[in-house]
Amino acid sequence: QSVLTQPPSASGTPGQRVTISCSGSSSNIGSNYVYWYQQLPGTAPKLLIYRNNQRPSGVPDRFSGSKSGTSASLAISGLRSEDEADYYCAAWDDSLSGPDVVFGGGTKLTVL
Amino acid sequence: QVQLVESGGGVVQPGGSLRLSCAASGFTFSSYGMHWVRQAPGKGLEWVAFIRYDGSNKYYADSVKGRFTISRDNSKNTLYLQMNSLRAEDTAVYYCAKDPDYYDSSGYYLMDYWGQGTLVTVSS
Repeated sequence: QSVLTQPPSASGTPGQRVTISCSGSSSNIGSNYVYWYQQLPGTAPKLLIYRNNQRPSGVPDRFSGSKSGTSASLAISGLRSEDEADYYCAAWDDSLSGPDVVFGGGTKLTVL
Repeated sequence: QVQLVESGGGVVQPGGSLRLSCAASGFTFSSYGMHWVRQAPGKGLEWVAFIRYDGSNKYYADSVKGRFTISRDNSKNTLYLQMNSLRAEDTAVYYCAKDPDYYDSSGYYLMDYWGQGTLVTVSS
């Protein structure tokens, strides 16, 4: 059971807009930045969104992130076939046993 | 450009040991924190450990605490993960990842670049 909660799957048709949610608590999302990573099949994860809503250079503006309280979401507009991948949210967690990093369980995005 | 290259993976028997390395280039290694993150076959990402830029602080996931040790040699631009008392459930691809090791009023920054990973298989 992951500390951050994501839906296991999401889907959409080309051109559609899809959103992926990520729910946490006051010790992680509520007090730290949320990051999103994209993992294409058979490859290493890649940074997609940093500090809640910032895009690294090279990431299309079709991808956007937001955060409110203890939840965050990733939106993908103008869905394309190459967006088919696993998406993970992550954040530092200020737990009582010491800081650690928590991930969501991942969301498998299918482009129909 | 940032490059992180893991090595040292392989097949090891339960109870055995293995040391992973991560060679870094393209950035000032001694100025950044570093993580190990693993991914079991067909599963999601699991954070393993973090070390600060100067090695002054190290943090571990409960699942590996007392068995794994993260370390770094800034003179060699290399990160390590010493894994002892390995179990079948440690079987995974292990990734190293770079972290700005920085925070501001809104929280801590997190990993921005990842290596390609090295596979560790624990099996008899």
